[in-house]
Amino acid sequence: GQQLNQSPQSMFIQEGEDVSMNCTSSSIFNTWLWYKQDPGEGPVLLIALYKAGELTSNGRLTAQFGITRKDSFLNISASIPSDVGIYFCAGLDSSNTGKLIFGQGTTLQVKP
Amino acid sequence: KAGVTQTPRYLIKTRGQQVTLSCSPISGHRSVSWYQQTPGQGLQFLFEYFSETQRNKGNFPGRFSGRQFSNSRSEMNVSTLELGDSALYLCASSSSTSGITDTQYFGPGTRLTVL
Repeated sequence: GQQLNQSPQSMFIQEGEDVSMNCTSSSIFNTWLWYKQDPGEGPVLLIALYKAGELTSNGRLTAQFGITRKDSFLNISASIPSDVGIYFCAGLDSSNTGKLIFGQGTTLQVKP
Repeated sequence: KAGVTQTPRYLIKTRGQQVTLSCSPISGHRSVSWYQQTPGQGLQFLFEYFSETQRNKGNFPGRFSGRQFSNSRSEMNVSTLELGDSALYLCASSSSTSGITDTQYFGPGTRLTVL
């Protein structure tokens, strides 16, 4: 079945540093989404990618949809303490009927 | 617009009982998807409803079921609860204006604990 491999599993960085995480898949996805989840809450949408090669920014966040539609990365620049959380990539199943395939998540900790 | 709402936020049940969770999507959104999140398995797709019809279903046993009402609100039901059903249950809504569900917005989830 379709799977997403997300890396790294966890990161511990200093405030102000840049962060990069990525997802790869053996399957093609038409839509890639990046979410952030705080403990006990639902995932919050950060960036949505719809076109191969698309590069999209949202404040300090930048994400790109790979040309092959099999990978995506998320960069966070100048990290701040509130960036702490779990980041998930998700690909929309090819049926386009609401089935998101999620990566395992990247846990980010930021040291002030 | 108000976001996705889920009720209740927390629930404690015992094995063998059944439970019903509710989700109200963002106004105007016609698609509702449900996910189960556990530390061991991560986020896994349960099913998706669009215009009161189930369009897609994940690999969960028949004890897990759902429905969607004409106002797009959705419920999911789990019968004969097992300890392994303890999880955060999340619903997500999408506008699906052309019938294609893409960007999904999640609710805060219902934390179910089975004792």
